[in-house]
Amino acid sequence: AQKVTQAQTEISVVEKEDVTLDCVYETRDTTYYLFWYKQPPSGELVFLIRRNSFDEQNEISGRYSWNFQKSTSSFNFTITASQVVDSAVYFCALSEVSGVQFYFGTGTSLTVIP
Amino acid sequence: DAGVTQSPTHLIKTRGQQVTLRCSPKSGHDTVSWYQQALGQGPQFIFQYYEEEERQRGNFPDRFSGHQFPNYSSELNVNALLLGDSALYLCASSPGTGGAFGYTFGSGTRLTVV
Repeated sequence: AQKVTQAQTEISVVEKEDVTLDCVYETRDTTYYLFWYKQPPSGELVFLIRRNSFDEQNEISGRYSWNFQKSTSSFNFTITASQVVDSAVYFCALSEVSGVQFYFGTGTSLTVIP
Repeated sequence: DAGVTQSPTHLIKTRGQQVTLRCSPKSGHDTVSWYQQALGQGPQFIFQYYEEEERQRGNFPDRFSGHQFPNYSSELNVNALLLGDSALYLCASSPGTGGAFGYTFGSGTRLTVV
């Protein structure tokens, strides 16, 4: 069975602090995809990154970076020098190789305090 | 370029009634998926439509049904509404399955059942 766990329900940081959002997943598939989405108050889920199970390279995009470790089944997300606009709920998701059904975690609500 | 459009944005229905939610996918996308997001939870997969057929279904009862039209737009129908059906219903579109490209989500329809 596929499962995604985001143990951090809510996080508050002061602006310019770094913050890491944790994601742990479970799957018996050898090929799968991992995603991070951002959900602002408007409700729309905004795509941030996609990783396939064969690509364990870490990725950096501006202030965002992702650490994928297959050995610990984790796909963590770090925001460097956080800004108020980063305040949102962040979801980690897993899909099987067919890519049809996504399994989302329960989300981490991030509040960046000015 | 319009993204995924959902209507209505908000809806209040009485227990036992039926409801229809509508979705227009992003231009160029032919696959539509529906997700239910209860308050404080991650989105849960309802089903996916491709070529006007239900491709895959999540763990939802038959009260939840859908349709995809030749122009790729889609409807989600829920019969015999229960209080527990109150949630944000998200539509997501993609060219082909979402795993390869990641979904584009709409802002959702907030359904309240009273």
